[in-house]
Amino acid sequence: QVHLEQSGTEVMKPGASVKVSCKASGFTLTNYHMHWVRQAQGQGLEWLGVINPGGIKTYAQQLQGRFTMTRDTSTGTVYMELSSLTFEDTAMYYCVREGCSGGACYQYFDYWGQGTVVTVSS
Amino acid sequence: QSALTQPASVSGSPGQSITISCTGTSSDVGRYNRVSWYQQYPGKAPKVIIYEVSKWPSGISNRFSGSKSGNTASLVISGLQAEDEADYYCCSHADTFYVFGTGTTVTVL
Repeated sequence: QVHLEQSGTEVMKPGASVKVSCKASGFTLTNYHMHWVRQAQGQGLEWLGVINPGGIKTYAQQLQGRFTMTRDTSTGTVYMELSSLTFEDTAMYYCVREGCSGGACYQYFDYWGQGTVVTVSS
Repeated sequence: QSALTQPASVSGSPGQSITISCTGTSSDVGRYNRVSWYQQYPGKAPKVIIYEVSKWPSGISNRFSGSKSGNTASLVISGLQAEDEADYYCCSHADTFYVFGTGTTVTVL
């Protein structure tokens, strides 16, 4: 069955960088678009970026230059890295798979990881 | 990309129907039939309940239905049940980006 297992809680200082991993199982990573979404406590969802099956990445404009997605196809793991952290980056970060079927993808999110809490604190 | 606009809260009595609106622009909701809806319980990850405006993922109750007119998408929850009390978010594909709604808290009276 499909499962996305994310790395654990991170507590970081302002200005630092954080890297979160997401190990996929139950499907082939390179057949799917993989996204990252974050949610600050008590706030709404914010789309961060996507890496497509070919490895092409697209990032949300508001994070340009600070946000990077990578993947390791040998281990089935995707990563996100966020640099120059500020207090406003404190949030739950979700790894998310895009719904695809029969070779077509439908721009919705069908499986979510359990989330990784990133806290930025001095 | 600005967030799609949803009402902050909607409430209804058990058995009633409620509607949650999701207003975007001609660059997102109005342009693509790639609107999805998510249900989120406190402390849990969101779960898709509608995709491509009106389609149901496997296992989702048909008490949830979606539609779109112009730049506004809507989610209707029919036969409201206590278990429907949660936060709901719309999401639209917008060219190469995605934008979520501001979120709506549904309260069952």
